[in-house]
Amino acid sequence: QVQLVQSGAEVKKPGSSVKVSCKASGGTFSSYAISWVRQAPGQGLEWMGGIIPIFGTANYAQKFQGRVTITADESTSTAYMELSSLRSEDTAVYYCACAPIAAAGGSENWFDPWGQGTLVTVSS
Amino acid sequence: QSALTQPRSVSGSPGQSVTISCTGTSSDVGGYNYVSWYQQHPGKAPKLMIYDVSKRPSGVPDRFSGSKSGNTASLTISGLQAEDEADYYCCSYAGSSPYVFGTGTKVTVL
Repeated sequence: QVQLVQSGAEVKKPGSSVKVSCKASGGTFSSYAISWVRQAPGQGLEWMGGIIPIFGTANYAQKFQGRVTITADESTSTAYMELSSLRSEDTAVYYCACAPIAAAGGSENWFDPWGQGTLVTVSS
Repeated sequence: QSALTQPRSVSGSPGQSVTISCTGTSSDVGGYNYVSWYQQHPGKAPKLMIYDVSKRPSGVPDRFSGSKSGNTASLTISGLQAEDEADYYCCSYAGSSPYVFGTGTKVTVL
């Protein structure tokens, strides 16, 4: 069973960027799609975007288009999420989550397992 | 893409059943059989409980069940137990968007 381990908490200034990593172990990285989901304090879950590493192309929620970049490095089984032009509303826990690649192409439409989460605090 | 609508909270006594609704549109819940449900305890990462509307992953107790009718999906917890107290989120595939989560429901075991 694949496990996802994320990088540590970050404190960033408004207007800057943050890059969070998500390292997979215990499974075949190329068998999965990786999505990023965030959760603001006391709020619900919000899908930001995802990538299928073997294909290399990412897709993003319209809300984050132009501000988020999701990449993957197959050699290290690590996915990354970079969010730019940070503002206070981006303060949240950011999760990566797996979905197996479907036999018919694309990925299964559920997320399991999840990383432990990375708290990003945006404050001046 | 607007969040799917869930009740803010539901509650029940141990042993009872509770049902959480998740209402969307024909562009998400109603358009695809790709609804999943997640349980989240405070300070923890979400955990998959149901996928593809009604399928249960290995290790999830069979007292958790899912269904869908039209634009509304439902999660039922039968034989409620103390450890079921948590937040629950639905999620639906939405085509070009492509994923939208619900607003979340807090389940309280009385």
